[in-house]
Amino acid sequence: GDSVTQMEGPVTLSEEAFLTINCTYTATGYPSLFWYVQYPGEGLQLLLKATKADDKGSNKGFEATYRKETTSFHLEKGSVQVSDSAVYFCARKNTGFQKLVFGTGTRLLVSP
Amino acid sequence: DADVTQTPRNRITKTGKRIMLECSQTKGHDRMYWYRQDPGLGLRLIYYSFDVKDINKGEISDGYSVSRQAQAKFSLSLESAIPNQTALYFCATEGTSGSGDEQFFGPGTRLTVL
Repeated sequence: GDSVTQMEGPVTLSEEAFLTINCTYTATGYPSLFWYVQYPGEGLQLLLKATKADDKGSNKGFEATYRKETTSFHLEKGSVQVSDSAVYFCARKNTGFQKLVFGTGTRLLVSP
Repeated sequence: DADVTQTPRNRITKTGKRIMLECSQTKGHDRMYWYRQDPGLGLRLIYYSFDVKDINKGEISDGYSVSRQAQAKFSLSLESAIPNQTALYFCATEGTSGSGDEQFFGPGTRLTVL
């Protein structure tokens, strides 16, 4: 079935380091892809999305490119801040049936 | 004011008790969802509703029931709570303008079943 696989965390970085969080998805249908972020004590909020192959989603300095050939949607940021510390979830959703399938989440810890 | 609200935010209860978690939204969305979050498992879908007259089971509906009282309200009930239902529960809403629509999440309810 449909699934999303994320790298396990926690990912621990120093401020201003480069971030990559890997995400791959099962290649069934033509999914839209999402990154959600969960800050401590809060619900999830959409960080960025891409709806078709080669699209790049971007927001708050984060980017992810929809790679159909590698079934990947890796999250990147050039220079992380302490305030980026959170749990990041990759997710997919097929057209037609509107159900989000989440990865297990990756915790990011950024130290000053 | 928040667009998606959940009550209560925290609840501790005992095995066998009936519990209701409530979700309200002011976004005017037809689609509403209930998820549970467990460490290392991400979010799993319990129930979803595409409009007031539509209720569907998700991947882990056993032990849960829902009620869609109005477009803005979607409640989750645990008829007889058990300890492995201890988790963080999220309600979410979604618009209907296409497959790339964002889901909007409430702040969550932390439920502990002793």
